[in-house]
Amino acid sequence: KAGVTQTPRYLIKTRGQQVTLSCSPISGHRSVSWYQQTPGQGLQFLFEYFSETQRNKGNFPGRFSGRQFSNSRSEMNVSTLELGDSALYLCASRRTGGGKNIQYFGAGTRLSVL
Amino acid sequence: KQEVTQIPAALSVPEGENLVLNCSFTDSAIYNLQWFRQDPGKGLTSLLLIQSSQREQTSGRLNASLDKSSGRSTLYIAASQPGDSATYLCAVASLSGGSNYKLTFGKGTLLTVNP
Repeated sequence: KAGVTQTPRYLIKTRGQQVTLSCSPISGHRSVSWYQQTPGQGLQFLFEYFSETQRNKGNFPGRFSGRQFSNSRSEMNVSTLELGDSALYLCASRRTGGGKNIQYFGAGTRLSVL
Repeated sequence: KQEVTQIPAALSVPEGENLVLNCSFTDSAIYNLQWFRQDPGKGLTSLLLIQSSQREQTSGRLNASLDKSSGRSTLYIAASQPGDSATYLCAVASLSGGSNYKLTFGKGTLLTVNP
């Protein structure tokens, strides 16, 4: 069974640009969450999607947005990039509707903003 | 607002030593608690998950305990090996409104096991 797949693995952008990151969850997992990891702030929750709807959102500006498709794949978009957006962006999926609710993480997309 | 603290921030031990990593959280109304491992430049690997109703979980040389009332969890690693070197992250899950699931992470403990 394939794990959580994130593409691309690395991105270099300049300030003011926008970027889209992609996440394919484990087959059968309908919940996808996004996290930002920086050396200073650690891992912080961005948002969670389930059945194409955003269910929960962390404390990030509106420049950070996402969406989920009918096949549960998710994309995250950051507009008007700032230097501080440089981070490792991690996607996680979980099976809902009972069970342990273990979140499985992808390898991440490392975004560098110059 | 849930806050998660991990102590120590870094730990260096000789191979074969038993060790304990600590995690504390401020809000005891948790859904579950997970311990993860992160290797440099990589994603997170789930090690153990403890449901809020459980006291401990074991997997191989790893044992995690949970004391909700005191807001503490520990990860015990027996007979440490150089391959255990990584950052260990504690994450507390909340489930609000019956469906809004969110993990709050500690900053992690960087473990180095020396041969």
